Amino acid sequence: GQNIDQPTEMTATEGAIVQINCTYQTSGFNGLFWYQQHAGEAPTFLSYNVLDGLEEKGRFSSFLSRSKGYSYLLLKELQMKDSASYLCAGFSGNTPLVFGKGTRLSVIA
Amino acid sequence: DSGVTQTPKHLITATGQRVTLRCSPRSGDLSVYWYQQSLDQGLQFLIQYYNGEERAKGNILERFSAQQFPDLHSELNLSSLELGDSALYFCASSGQGNQPQHFGDGTRLSIL
Repeated sequence: GQNIDQPTEMTATEGAIVQINCTYQTSGFNGLFWYQQHAGEAPTFLSYNVLDGLEEKGRFSSFLSRSKGYSYLLLKELQMKDSASYLCAGFSGNTPLVFGKGTRLSVIA
Repeated sequence: DSGVTQTPKHLITATGQRVTLRCSPRSGDLSVYWYQQSLDQGLQFLIQYYNGEERAKGNILERFSAQQFPDLHSELNLSSLELGDSALYFCASSGQGNQPQHFGDGTRLSIL
């Protein structure tokens, strides 16, 4: 089956920019979703890409290159509340999402 | 508020018991998904229903079963519970096509 790879943990400073990468096999996915999940809470939808390029949504942007099997989530002007896990999930038609294991981001002062 | 409602929020029971988790999807969503998330683990897909029919199955144990009713709410039944079944169980719903899934707040199941 499809595998999605993300770094396990990242640390960044308040006010800075951080990029969380996600890679996958190029066949099978039509696009990617990004979710934010605070510990013990539900995943919250952030953004999705079905076309190559950058999608911007306030402080959050997501990029996709389908030919390279690569996506990233960019978080700007980091705030302490952005400390959470960020989940990358691939989708293909009406089949269930395939989730990566998530990247735990710690924002420090 | 995602619009997806899960009950109960917390459940504490003993090994060998049976429990039922309930999910009401967002208004208009026909697809319901169930996931299991153990401590510090990723989301494990269990099963998907679409408009009352089973659509896809993931890593769901034979001791677990689910169904989606005509009013589109869904139930996940867990039986012969074991200590390792302690986890957060999430329900998500989505519309047709490549629509994002929206998650309920989850049911935290603790097996003693």
